[in-house]
Amino acid sequence: NAGVTQTPKFQVLKTGQSMTLQCAQDMNHEYMSWYRQDPGMGLRLIHYSVGAGITDQGEVPNGYNVSRSTTEDFPLRLLSAAPSQTSVYFCASSRGLGPEAFFGQGTRLTVV
Amino acid sequence: SQELEQSPQSLIVQEGKNLTINCTSSKTLYGLYWYKQKYGEGLIFLMMLQKGGEEKSHEKITAKLDEKKQQSSLHITASQPSHAGIYLCGADSNSGNTPLVFGKGTRLSVIA
Repeated sequence: NAGVTQTPKFQVLKTGQSMTLQCAQDMNHEYMSWYRQDPGMGLRLIHYSVGAGITDQGEVPNGYNVSRSTTEDFPLRLLSAAPSQTSVYFCASSRGLGPEAFFGQGTRLTVV
Repeated sequence: SQELEQSPQSLIVQEGKNLTINCTSSKTLYGLYWYKQKYGEGLIFLMMLQKGGEEKSHEKITAKLDEKKQQSSLHITASQPSHAGIYLCGADSNSGNTPLVFGKGTRLSVIA
């Protein structure tokens, strides 16, 4: 059972480039979320989804897009990367908003 | 919006010593979750507290929820190097319709 899988683990982008961070879960969880973790800031919610076809914004959504075409996948798109988006990104999934969330191993993104 | 404040921000303890980490919410707690993050890795779920006065233990880690104080504490007995990492508390929002809000974390180091 793989749980929550994030790819890539590391990425360096140039300012203005676009890319997609992949997140897949094999637990048939309805709820999936993207967080970013920055020093001194903790985990901040970017976008989340409560089911296929349904997404909503979190605390820091600007500069990011998401879609949820399947239950398993929840990709995060950076439209035009900026140095302020240098961070560690975590994807999480859960059966609901109450039960515990399972986290991926993270994607460390550097924008130069 | 709900905010969680963790204290201390960092902690260095000698192996074998006990320690306590606190998590205080700005609003009523409907559910409190403790996670541990090893350096450079994802978050591992430790335990969930939902009722005032509830106390749970896992090996040498005990967490309590004080609903009136809107606070939870995580206590580690006889700390070991394996306990080192970042401990984060997360909470359900008031609406219960969004993913967890997290504190900024407490970085624990255990020295021999």
